[in-house]
Amino acid sequence: ETGVTQSPTHLIKTRGQQVTLRCSSQSGHNTVSWYQQALGQGPQFIFQYYREEENGRGNFPPRFSGLQFPNYSSELNVNALELDDSALYLCASSNRRGSQFFGPGTRLTVL
Amino acid sequence: AQTVTQSQPEMSVQEAETVTLSCTYDTSESNYYLFWYKQPPSRQMILVIRQEAYKQQNATENRFSVNFQKAAKSFSLKISDSQLGDTAMYFCAFKIWGDSNYQLIWGAGTKLIIKP
Repeated sequence: ETGVTQSPTHLIKTRGQQVTLRCSSQSGHNTVSWYQQALGQGPQFIFQYYREEENGRGNFPPRFSGLQFPNYSSELNVNALELDDSALYLCASSNRRGSQFFGPGTRLTVL
Repeated sequence: AQTVTQSQPEMSVQEAETVTLSCTYDTSESNYYLFWYKQPPSRQMILVIRQEAYKQQNATENRFSVNFQKAAKSFSLKISDSQLGDTAMYFCAFKIWGDSNYQLIWGAGTKLIIKP
């Protein structure tokens, strides 16, 4: 059974640029959730996708957007990057009511 | 709104000792899940243990067990016979059962250091 994978591992961007982060869900899971974790803090929920549709959203601006594909993999897109977007971005997959299992994360640095 | 509070920013114990991490939460819901996740320096978030609120029996996974007090809204994690590999950030998290938005709500974490 393949676990949750994320790419890239690390990424450096400059203010104003756009970034796309990718997540492959665990086999058998149809739900993907994205979280932002600033250094020294707990994760903050960005949004969740269930069967290719957004299923809920946290307190993040519209420049954070996402997609889920028919194979349940997912992308997180962030436009007009700001310095405060520097964080670890975590992807978790689950069945809709099940426990969430996390990928290794993508460390984004915005300069 | 639901909140999760971890009041111990950092704890340190000797290898083989038992340690208990505290977590309290606030909700008006009656059906929910509670979780403990571990995040070692490698940063991968790992599920340690899960508790369904409707279950009176405390969950146990090998050396890890919880003390779930629903009336007090308390959910502590006990690690027995601690090992060096248990060194990590530990996060308590909460999820409502049956809500259309199945997000996890997280505490701020407790940094646990196991000393040799």
